[in-house]
Amino acid sequence: KQEVTQIPAALSVPEGENLVLNCSFTDSAIYNLQWFRQDPGKGLTSLLLIQSSQREQTSGRLNASLDKSSGRSTLYIAASQPGDSATYLCAVDFTSGSRLTFGEGTQLTVNP
Amino acid sequence: ETGVTQSPTHLIKTRGQQVTLRCSSQSGHNTVSWYQQALGQGPQFIFQYYREEENGRGNFPPRFSGLQFPNYSSELNVNALELDDSALYLCASSWGAAGPYEQYFGPGTRLTVT
Repeated sequence: KQEVTQIPAALSVPEGENLVLNCSFTDSAIYNLQWFRQDPGKGLTSLLLIQSSQREQTSGRLNASLDKSSGRSTLYIAASQPGDSATYLCAVDFTSGSRLTFGEGTQLTVNP
Repeated sequence: ETGVTQSPTHLIKTRGQQVTLRCSSQSGHNTVSWYQQALGQGPQFIFQYYREEENGRGNFPPRFSGLQFPNYSSELNVNALELDDSALYLCASSWGAAGPYEQYFGPGTRLTVT
């Protein structure tokens, strides 16, 4: 069964800290991986998309890496801010059919 | 460029009733996927529509059905509502179905079944 797991489930850090969120998946034959942000009760905002041929993507203070052989992706957030507080979801396309399998998310709190 | 929109924002229904949720895809996108997100969990894939045809389905019963229209907007219908159907329903659109295209999500519809 193709599954996505995110660790930790929740994380609380002081403002300014650099942090890493982890995502693991059970099948290395993926087509792409997306990281999303979700604010409470809201929809999903796409942060980064990594195609299977890529090793990493960067956007501002965010950097996502992909290691298909080990079934892992990490989302690195530099110099965290209170506005980064949200749930971060990792999602994998295992099928090349534009349908995603999601992890359960990491709830991040950045304290001022 | 118009993003993905969904209506209504919130909905309260009684067990056994039927509900229709609507989604307008982002301009130029021909594929719409629907997801159910229960509280505290990640979204689960319900089904996908590509050029007005169902193009894949997750582990959801037949009382979950859908439509896609010629303008690529879509509806999700749920019959015989159950309490466990209470969730945030998300729709996502993409440029196509046969490829690892980026998914763009709408704001969701919060359904409460009492």
